[in-house]
Amino acid sequence: DTEVTQTPKHLVMGMTNKKSLKCEQHMGHRAMYWYKQKAKKPPELMFVYSYEKLSINESVPSRFSPECPNSSLLNLHLHALQPEDSALYLCASSPREGQGYTFGSGTRLTVV
Amino acid sequence: SQQGEEDPQALSIQEGENATMNCSYKTSINNLQWYRQNSGRGLVHLILIRSNEREKHSGRLRVTLDTSKKSSSLLITASRAADTASYFCATAPNAGGTSYGKLTFGQGTILTVHP
Repeated sequence: DTEVTQTPKHLVMGMTNKKSLKCEQHMGHRAMYWYKQKAKKPPELMFVYSYEKLSINESVPSRFSPECPNSSLLNLHLHALQPEDSALYLCASSPREGQGYTFGSGTRLTVV
Repeated sequence: SQQGEEDPQALSIQEGENATMNCSYKTSINNLQWYRQNSGRGLVHLILIRSNEREKHSGRLRVTLDTSKKSSSLLITASRAADTASYFCATAPNAGGTSYGKLTFGQGTILTVHP
């Protein structure tokens, strides 16, 4: 298995909702990442997990809460989001930090 | 802030021609990577070049790295319509420890290959 699987592919949520994005890989990669990408812009790093521990938080607002339950799974819990948080959320993994990343196809999130 | 700046922002060529994209960055790096993105979906890793390497090849791709000028180039030879995509360079910093994971993307080049 050489893929990173993200679910759901599309998500529409209200500003008072709580939802979660899920990411799964079975390549034995020990680093996992969340990126946010707005239209016509490059991906922006949000969080890095290394060996299931949070190693980088790029000053992301607390309404985004990451979780790494095990070495194959990465979640992003969403609560009280704003319309400006609408974007493509990309999960990625790599054998270790800083090596070539395998990206999932993303979750396109719309906050209404 | 974005580490890499890419040039040109957009490139339009005919099938069979070569496409060259350039990337400049600001700080010391551990490695530099190139990615392709189709239609705003997931990115595909193309090639990684380490800071002590000067050139690397993979199929129709050739990447160069000049750390003295803090720049890299991606050459796609004999382009095909299927190469139409956005191309991003990304740098992994040489800050040691957990900072290796802070892969930062450039603004990207939109490549259009006409059949």
